[in-house]
Amino acid sequence: QTVVTQEPSFSVSPGGTVTLTCGLSSGSVSTNYYPSWYQQTPGQAPRTLIYSTNTRSSGVPDRFSGSILGNKAALTITGAQADDESDYYCVLYIGGDVRVFGGGTKLTVL
Amino acid sequence: EVQLVESGGGLIQPGGSLRLSCAASGFTVSSYWMNWVRQAPGKGLEWVSLIHGSGSTYYADSVRGRFTISRDNSKNTLYLQMNSLRAEDTAVYYCARENGGIDFWGQGTLVTVSS
Repeated sequence: QTVVTQEPSFSVSPGGTVTLTCGLSSGSVSTNYYPSWYQQTPGQAPRTLIYSTNTRSSGVPDRFSGSILGNKAALTITGAQADDESDYYCVLYIGGDVRVFGGGTKLTVL
Repeated sequence: EVQLVESGGGLIQPGGSLRLSCAASGFTVSSYWMNWVRQAPGKGLEWVSLIHGSGSTYYADSVRGRFTISRDNSKNTLYLQMNSLRAEDTAVYYCARENGGIDFWGQGTLVTVSS
């Protein structure tokens, strides 16, 4: 059973930079896993931020960026703002046609 | 404008069946890969099922054999037939379009499995 790992929680100061990661219980994440990132606030549907590792979804500001850092996918938020306080989920494509979400990271901006 | 509108959720007893619908507008469902993703109350996102443009279908282990994804091209609508429902299937169900990654989400429909 493939497990996708994310930090349960993270905090960042307003204006600061934070990097959230998305890993595998065994093995390394590469672009072949097409990592994607989603932002969700309570009671709302998810919003797509990044797909295919580093492609920003339409309307997403460029302070959100995706990459591979070491053996994990990463979402970096630069110049954090109060309304970035949300849950962030990554998803990896396992074996091409199965998607596995990470458990999500609760980001606090304070 | 791309829109996805789910419907069909509600309260259902364990062992029962329910069919969710996702009406699409602004694009043609059969031209894209389409997913169902769910979120149990207070929990994270869980991928449920995928249908390719070719019609090939894929399922999470937790629902394989009980859920069936399909689409009606004439109605531009995606479906999720859910049978043998269990308490652990209680969740908001989202349909989501995939285009290199999921790019559009519906607002979701709540399914509650309880006696």
